[in-house]
Amino acid sequence: GNSVTQMEGPVTLSEEAFLTINCTYTATGYPSLFWYVQYPGEGLQLLLKATKADDKGSNKGFEATYRKETTSFHLEKGSVQVSDSAVYFCALKRAGNNRKLIWGLGTSLAVNP
Amino acid sequence: DTAVSQTPKYLVTQMGNDKSIKCEQNLGHDTMYWYKQDSKKFLKIMFSYNNKELIINETVPNRFSPKSPDKAHLNLHINSLELGDSAVYFCASSQEQQAGADTQYFGPGTRLTVL
Repeated sequence: GNSVTQMEGPVTLSEEAFLTINCTYTATGYPSLFWYVQYPGEGLQLLLKATKADDKGSNKGFEATYRKETTSFHLEKGSVQVSDSAVYFCALKRAGNNRKLIWGLGTSLAVNP
Repeated sequence: DTAVSQTPKYLVTQMGNDKSIKCEQNLGHDTMYWYKQDSKKFLKIMFSYNNKELIINETVPNRFSPKSPDKAHLNLHINSLELGDSAVYFCASSQEQQAGADTQYFGPGTRLTVL
């Protein structure tokens, strides 16, 4: 079946540290891949996405590259800020008109000043 | 202008009661969703409507009943509330894209506490 596996948190970093949150997936065909972010007390919002192999999504200094050969979509940021403290969710959407997202369990990130 | 709004934001109630949560989106999207998020942040899809038609109906107790009076509204009614229903409920909406990468837009959530 289709699934998403994210690294477990919580992840705690100091400001300006490098961030990687691993995400791997299992899916048939060519899914679309997403990272959503949930700031404390808020709903989720799209951070970035990629729809085909080797696509790179980027936003707010975050990047993730769709790697078909390793079935991965790892999230990276070169220098995190305290305001990046949030829960990050990796998700996939199967090809075709199925509207359902398959979600990872979420990774909590805390950035200390 | 709030894109996806939910009411109420907080709901505290006794076990056995019936309650409703309302959701409205002003984005003109064709699909709306209800999610349940537990205390560990695990996100579970419950229902989805596309143009007022139910398209996703996950394994959810039949005490939960969604209703979509029109494409901009999706309400969730819960009968006979139980302690385990305590969670944050999120409404979301999206519009189908050709590339299949439609973005879901989430409301701010309704925190339900059952005592």
